[in-house]
Amino acid sequence: AQRVTQPEKLLSVFKGAPVELKCNYSYSGSPELFWYVQYSRQRLQLLLRHISRESIKGFTADLNKGETSFHLKKPFAQEEDSAMYYCGASGSRLTFGEGTQLTVNP
Amino acid sequence: ETGVTQSPTHLIKTRGQQVTLRCSSQSGHNTVSWYQQALGQGPQFIFQYYREEENGRGNFPPRFSGLQFPNYSSELNVNALELDDSALYLCASSLVSTFTDGELFFGEGSRLTVL
Repeated sequence: AQRVTQPEKLLSVFKGAPVELKCNYSYSGSPELFWYVQYSRQRLQLLLRHISRESIKGFTADLNKGETSFHLKKPFAQEEDSAMYYCGASGSRLTFGEGTQLTVNP
Repeated sequence: ETGVTQSPTHLIKTRGQQVTLRCSSQSGHNTVSWYQQALGQGPQFIFQYYREEENGRGNFPPRFSGLQFPNYSSELNVNALELDDSALYLCASSLVSTFTDGELFFGEGSRLTVL
């Protein structure tokens, strides 16, 4: 069965500290990986996708096929990064993890 | 360019009733997906419509059904409501029918409470 796991429901860091949001997936074949973000009082939106190899708002995500992980990283967290982050994997459908609430404290 | 809009934003139903939720896709998007998001959970895929045909379904019973119309609007219908159907229902539109490259554009959701 297709499954995406985000082991941390809550993550709290201080401004300027590095942050890593963990994501592991269990999928048959080679799924495409995404990170979606939901800021307070806003709708869910795409942050980045593996296929684009891009860095958005200072965030990057590396696909590790051996560990089936797609962790999201940022070297210096900002207060405006506080949001709910969802990892997603797609094959025939986009499956989301349960999300990690990131809080960046001043 | 208009975004994805959903209606109603909130509604309350009683167990056994039926509900219809509506979605207007982003202009030009021919694919719409519906997700159920229970409190504290990630969005769960219900089904997807491409050019007015269902082309993917998650683990939801047949009492969850949908329609997509030529004007890019769509509906999610749920019959015989159960208490566990209480959730936020999200509509998402995209330009392509496969997920490998397509970005999903989400609406703000319809929050359903079943009493």
